[in-house]
Amino acid sequence: SAVISQKPSRDICQRGTSLTIQCQVDSQVTMMFWYRQQPGQSLTLIATANQGSEATYESGFVIDKFPISRPNLTFSTLTVSNMSPEDSSIYLCSAQITEAFFGQGTRLTVV
Amino acid sequence: GQQLNQSPQSMFIQEGEDVSMNCTSSSIFNTWLWYKQEPGEGPVLLIALYKAGELTSNGRLTAQFGITRKDSFLNISASIPSDVGIYFCAGLQGAQKLVFGQGTRLTINP
Repeated sequence: SAVISQKPSRDICQRGTSLTIQCQVDSQVTMMFWYRQQPGQSLTLIATANQGSEATYESGFVIDKFPISRPNLTFSTLTVSNMSPEDSSIYLCSAQITEAFFGQGTRLTVV
Repeated sequence: GQQLNQSPQSMFIQEGEDVSMNCTSSSIFNTWLWYKQEPGEGPVLLIALYKAGELTSNGRLTAQFGITRKDSFLNISASIPSDVGIYFCAGLQGAQKLVFGQGTRLTINP
């Protein structure tokens, strides 16, 4: 298994600003992902965080809005840029070995 | 994107009752995973299934990987208040990204 620490756990941000979410895994993993979860909804994949190369984004998500870093096999960041109230959501990172393990999530409110 | 069909969407049961939920797909998966999510937390892995026909238990939880590899179910026996939460199924095709079900919200009346 993998233990994933994600921070911040929650934040309230002004529109137009950016927030960077950090995700630390307690072991080296090849695959890390970032998800968004709207209240009461399932998880939507934002992107695959690739170590040493650009992230792979899903349809509807772009690098300018959600830049991702993956400097090594245990750490990744997701930035939510130029935020608007529509970006209010829970953001989750996961590390995948044979199964996927999740951080506790970041609850973001944009006002 | 692709999503699994998970049902029911919600369940309201009495404490002590058994619970059953399932997921189906038009695609074949080689791994099925079941998660539970509580408010303010990320999904926590309950059971992982790796082989068609596999039946696996974790305490009061039992899950099966369908023979066709296109479905899975999760049963909870003798429910207790701490079983409350949202349960998600997820499928993996090879070493790829997870595909999630819509979730089953479980509410238990004491």
